[in-house]
Amino acid sequence: DAGVIQSPRHEVTEMGQEVTLRCKLISGHNSLFWYRQTMMRGLELLIYFNNNVPIDDSGMPEDRFSAKMPNASFSTLKIQPSEPRDSAVYFCASKSDVGALHFGNGTRLTVT
Amino acid sequence: SQQGEEDPQALSIQEGENATMNCSYKTSINNLQWYRQNSGRGLVHLILIRSNEREKHSGRLRVTLDTSKKSSSLLITASRAADTASYFCAMNSGGYQKVTFGTGTKLQVIP
Repeated sequence: DAGVIQSPRHEVTEMGQEVTLRCKLISGHNSLFWYRQTMMRGLELLIYFNNNVPIDDSGMPEDRFSAKMPNASFSTLKIQPSEPRDSAVYFCASKSDVGALHFGNGTRLTVT
Repeated sequence: SQQGEEDPQALSIQEGENATMNCSYKTSINNLQWYRQNSGRGLVHLILIRSNEREKHSGRLRVTLDTSKKSSSLLITASRAADTASYFCAMNSGGYQKVTFGTGTKLQVIP
């Protein structure tokens, strides 16, 4: 079990640039969650998928944010264009049915 | 938006003492979970308690759940310096098992 793998670990970009964060789920897990963590707002749920289908994207802050799950093992979170207030640590996590979430180590995004 | 609040926000205790963290939430739940986060890392699952359970133990951890008050507590007994971390409650709710987190408690255990 390789665990949930996120890439990149760190991303520094300039305002206005497109940012793509990647997540590889644990094999056999059927739910995928994207969270954003900041000191001010804590751990916010952005969007989650069940069996590759987006269930609830009400936490996505703006149309600049989009997420896809092209297959059962992979997901991307895209920000276009990025802004300094998007700076945060972004986590993805996967689980099976009613089980516990397994988190990746996060992507620390800095937008200057 | 946060679906749960934890108190205290921060807790500092001596090694060997017990640490208690409380969580209050807003919606009905399928289960409630507790996670630990070390600095710079992802969250790690500690324990899960179902909505029809009132108490659960795992090693030095004891979790209680009161669904009538929409609250839960996590007790860590005989704390160790290695327990220093942030602790979060997480609420699993709805038919599609949505998981949202509380605000977290930062625990420091002094050797």
